[in-house]
Amino acid sequence: DAGITQSPRHKVTETGTPVTLRCHQTENHRYMYWYRQDPGHGLRLIHYSYGVKDTDKGEVSDGYSVSRSKTEDFLLTLESATSSQTSVYFCAIRDDRDQETQYFGPGTRLLVL
Amino acid sequence: DQQVKQNSPSLSVQEGRISILNCDYTNSMFDYFLWYKKYPAEGPTFLISISSIKDKNEDGRFTVFLNKSAKHLSLHIVPSQPGDSAVYFCAATYSGNTGKLIFGQGTTLQVKP
Repeated sequence: DAGITQSPRHKVTETGTPVTLRCHQTENHRYMYWYRQDPGHGLRLIHYSYGVKDTDKGEVSDGYSVSRSKTEDFLLTLESATSSQTSVYFCAIRDDRDQETQYFGPGTRLLVL
Repeated sequence: DQQVKQNSPSLSVQEGRISILNCDYTNSMFDYFLWYKKYPAEGPTFLISISSIKDKNEDGRFTVFLNKSAKHLSLHIVPSQPGDSAVYFCAATYSGNTGKLIFGQGTTLQVKP
């Protein structure tokens, strides 16, 4: 258990509304990641962070922004949700002691109507 | 461009027999590979990994084999148990990639009692 929580766990929203998902870790790991999981695609990286206020884009970053104002929290924002952003979102941390392994949170299921 | 591919969407085996899950990759820079297991409504959990300097890594019932010349890795589960029924993802990364993981599409394993 890497001490990762995500909130909310489920959300239904309407097209055009902003949505923020939160990832919280208890172990102060430096690297945090946001992925989305869709059928036929596995998990794809959206954005990642390598420290407070240090973030970078991943493979599918369009339509998403992130912020990290504290080590323990990494926020993912959909500025104006679209139906193509209906997905399951996973947060992950990279273990500072074993820098090749990531541990995942329980996920947030988002439905955009 | 799918750099990591799991060409079998599903696999069904009998309890007690061997399960073999396969994964192919195209990027020669990958030097670390991981397998994750995912149950419905949960986040992926780390299973086993292998560095490119090795060709085999074992952990209990799980063994990962790496064939660098063929750019192929496989996960063997022996003996398979009904609790192993899940989606299995392979993932790859390389040094200096800030830990970003590239995932395959996943293989659903069903172990029948």
